[in-house]
Amino acid sequence: GESVGLHLPTLSVQEGDNSIINCAYSNSASDYFIWYKQESGKGPQFIIDIRSNMDKRQGQRVTVLLNKTVKHLSLQIAATQPGDSAVYFCAETYSSASKIIFGSGTRLSIRP
Amino acid sequence: KAGVTQTPRYLIKTRGQQVTLSCSPISGHRSVSWYQQTPGQGLQFLFEYFSETQRNKGNFPGRFSGRQFSNSRSEMNVSTLELGDSALYLCASSLDQDATNEKLFFGSGTQLSVL
Repeated sequence: GESVGLHLPTLSVQEGDNSIINCAYSNSASDYFIWYKQESGKGPQFIIDIRSNMDKRQGQRVTVLLNKTVKHLSLQIAATQPGDSAVYFCAETYSSASKIIFGSGTRLSIRP
Repeated sequence: KAGVTQTPRYLIKTRGQQVTLSCSPISGHRSVSWYQQTPGQGLQFLFEYFSETQRNKGNFPGRFSGRQFSNSRSEMNVSTLELGDSALYLCASSLDQDATNEKLFFGSGTQLSVL
C-alpha cells in the first residue's frame, strides 16, 4: 500500500547549524514529492517540491534530495533559524492520482 | 491575492450532531482537497473536488461528505459526529491547470471538538 514515513519524529538542532530531515516512501510509482512546513495554529505551507526526473533541487536556504533507488527523500535547511521551528511533512503523489499522501511529520526544534 | 479561507475557525459539537465546514479556495484555483489532521493519524486525505465533481476519495466512512460549487467554493459535512471526529480539518486548493498535480495551498483549518 501507499505509505510515506519519516525516520525521526523529532529533531533538535543548534541555531546556525544545518538541519536534515529524512523521509522514506514506499510507492515506486510516485513521481512528485513535496515538503511542507506547519507552524503552530496554521495550515501546512509549501516549502519546496521535486519531480522524479530530478535528484536535487535548491531553494532559498533549503535543498531537497531525492534518491529513487532507495526511495528516500530529504530536506536540508541551511543555517537553521528560530523561525524554522515547526513540523515538517514530506508528501508524495503520482501523475495519475489526484490525492497527495503525507508522511507523519518531524518536529524541528531549535536550540539557542 | 487572498489565501485559502476556512470557516469557522473553531467549532464545538456534541456526539450525534452534524457539522458543515466551509472552504473558499484561492481565486482561480479549481481543485479543492480536504484533509483531517489528528495527533495520532497525521494528515489523512478525505476527498478532492474539481469542477464540482468528486475526483478522488480517501478511506473515510460515508458520514463524511463534501461538495463543490460552481465558484469552486467547497463544503464538507460530517453527520452523526463521534468523539473520534475531533480533529483539525484542513482545506487546500490548487490551480490544477493541467491535472498533473500541483502544489497545494492550505487554509488554517477548522478545529472541531466533539464532546
